[in-house]
Amino acid sequence: DAGVTQSPTHLIKTRGQHVTLRCSPISGHKSVSWYQQVLGQGPQFIFQYYEKEERGRGNFPDRFSARQFPNYSSELNVNALLLGDSALYLCASTYRGGNTIYFGEGSWLTVV
Amino acid sequence: AQKVTQAQTEISVVEKEDVTLDCVYETRDTTYYLFWYKQPPSGELVFLIRRNSFDEQNEISGRYSWNFQKSTSSFNFTITASQVVDSAVYFCALRSWDDYKLSFGAGTTVTVRA
Repeated sequence: DAGVTQSPTHLIKTRGQHVTLRCSPISGHKSVSWYQQVLGQGPQFIFQYYEKEERGRGNFPDRFSARQFPNYSSELNVNALLLGDSALYLCASTYRGGNTIYFGEGSWLTVV
Repeated sequence: AQKVTQAQTEISVVEKEDVTLDCVYETRDTTYYLFWYKQPPSGELVFLIRRNSFDEQNEISGRYSWNFQKSTSSFNFTITASQVVDSAVYFCALRSWDDYKLSFGAGTTVTVRA
């Protein structure tokens, strides 16, 4: 079975632009979470979605938004990009009642 | 609030040496889960082990073992007979029983030299 898949793997954007990152969870997993990992730090929680509803939000500005689709895939959107948004964005999935959270390979975003 | 502290930033060993990674956590929850993840240069976080707070039995899985001590809020991880392929950043993480959010430590970079 395929793991958590994310796209694109690498991208470069200019300050002020908008970016959309995509994630497909492991088959059967209905919960998707997003994390931001700045170089040299641990991942920081951004959002969690379950059954297309937001179930948790981390301490990130409103420029960050997300949604989950009927097939449980998810998008993370970031508007008005800042240099500080440069990071690895990780998507994770788990099934209802599951205790372990599985991660994808991430999307490396560079803002110039 | 939850907090995970990994005091070791970098560890360098020669192949076949044992490596122990320290993790100390803070939480007000009585039921929670602790994890260790490995992050190679590719970026993917690879799940290694999970421990439930209500089970303090320490186990060994292949070359991995862990020491969970609830009394000192520590969850240490050992790689026995390290190999070059073990070189990566290792993260300790914590989540509440009723929340899927993970709180991570800052990570420990392990370098295994041939």
